[in-house]
Amino acid sequence: GQQLNQSPQSMFIQEGEDVSMNCTSSSIFNTWLWYKQDPGEGPVLLIALYKAGELTSNGRLTAQFGITRKDSFLNISASIPSDVGIYFCAGLRTGANSKLTFGKGITLSVRP
Amino acid sequence: ETGVTQTPRHLVMGMTNKKSLKCEQHLGHNAMYWYKQSAKKPLELMFVYNFKEQTENNSVPSRFSPECPNSSHLFLHLHTLQPEDSALYLCASSQVTSGSGEQYFGPGTRLTVT
Repeated sequence: GQQLNQSPQSMFIQEGEDVSMNCTSSSIFNTWLWYKQDPGEGPVLLIALYKAGELTSNGRLTAQFGITRKDSFLNISASIPSDVGIYFCAGLRTGANSKLTFGKGITLSVRP
Repeated sequence: ETGVTQTPRHLVMGMTNKKSLKCEQHLGHNAMYWYKQSAKKPLELMFVYNFKEQTENNSVPSRFSPECPNSSHLFLHLHTLQPEDSALYLCASSQVTSGSGEQYFGPGTRLTVT
């Protein structure tokens, strides 16, 4: 079935550093979403992207919809300890009964 | 963020018990979803309801039985579960007619089957 690839599984950065994550697929998606999940909580929507090439920011977060529509990137600038969590990408192909496809997530650790 | 609420937050049950998970969304959405989240795996879609009608059953065992009495409420009835069913069960909702695909999740129910 459909799969979104996120790697590595874990990332360790120093507080204040920037970090970039990507999400790739062998298939085209019409919408890309990025979620963050804190321990013991559900995923929270961070950024939604709807057009190829689109670049969208949400505070220190910036995400881009890849021009091929097969990938997306999330950048976090000037990381802080509360950025710790699991970051999931999700893709959607619109149409009848369309459903989100999720990546496995990247666990981000921020060292103070 | 209280757009989607789930109760209980934690549940421990034996294999012979019957229990139910509840989800409520306060966002005016018309689609609701159940997902299973296990360690090291992508989110697994279990059921989808659009306008109270079930439109997706992703080969889920019959020991999981969903119920959607209206667009705001979703239940997952559990009976004779197995230890491998232990996981975080997440509910989500979206506005299916907008086609944007944005799903909003609840905090989940951490289920442990003993």
